[in-house]
Amino acid sequence: KQEVTQIPAALSVPEGENLVLNCSFTDSAIYNLQWFRQDPGKGLTSLLLIQSSQREQTSGRLNASLDKSSGRSTLYIAASQPGDSATYLCAVYWTGGADGLTFGKGTHLIIQP
Amino acid sequence: GAVVSQHPSWVICKSGTSVKIECRSLDFQATTMFWYRQFPKQSLMLMATSNEGSKATYEQGVEKDKFLINHASLTLSTLTVTSAHPEDSSFYICSASGVAGAHQETQYFGPGTRLLVL
Repeated sequence: KQEVTQIPAALSVPEGENLVLNCSFTDSAIYNLQWFRQDPGKGLTSLLLIQSSQREQTSGRLNASLDKSSGRSTLYIAASQPGDSATYLCAVYWTGGADGLTFGKGTHLIIQP
Repeated sequence: GAVVSQHPSWVICKSGTSVKIECRSLDFQATTMFWYRQFPKQSLMLMATSNEGSKATYEQGVEKDKFLINHASLTLSTLTVTSAHPEDSSFYICSASGVAGAHQETQYFGPGTRLLVL
């Protein structure tokens, strides 16, 4: 079964720290992988999209890496800020599967001021 | 650009009634729209994929007669929860893509609709 797992489920760190969120997926046959941010009661905001042929993508303080062979992706957040507090979701498009995304359960991140 | 809206943002209804949720792409033509559902503390789950002008494709375990999807235009898709029951209470999110198949393109997500069935 094609699944996406995120670790940790929750994380609380002081402001200013660099942190890493992990995502693993069970099938290496992916088209792309996306990281999203979800604020309470709100829709999703797409943060980074990594195509299967890419190793990483960067946007501001965010860097996402992709290692298809090991079925892993990481989201690196530099110099964390209280405004980064949210749930971060990893989602995968599988090759030959449904056109929709398969999501992990997310990592609930709290940045302490 | 690439804004997707949903209406309503939240709805409370009585058990047995039907609820319609609209998903609109405001500044682009959405060839494909997706409907997701999220239960508390669970991941988003794809319910169905709809391409403009054709019948929606439902995921396994999603009742097509209960969750009616209409994608009659390139900017509007609707999800109707028929004869809603408390177990249908959830957060429903739509997303839209401007490319058929959507494998290579980013999906743009609506803000979601929170449904509470009493």
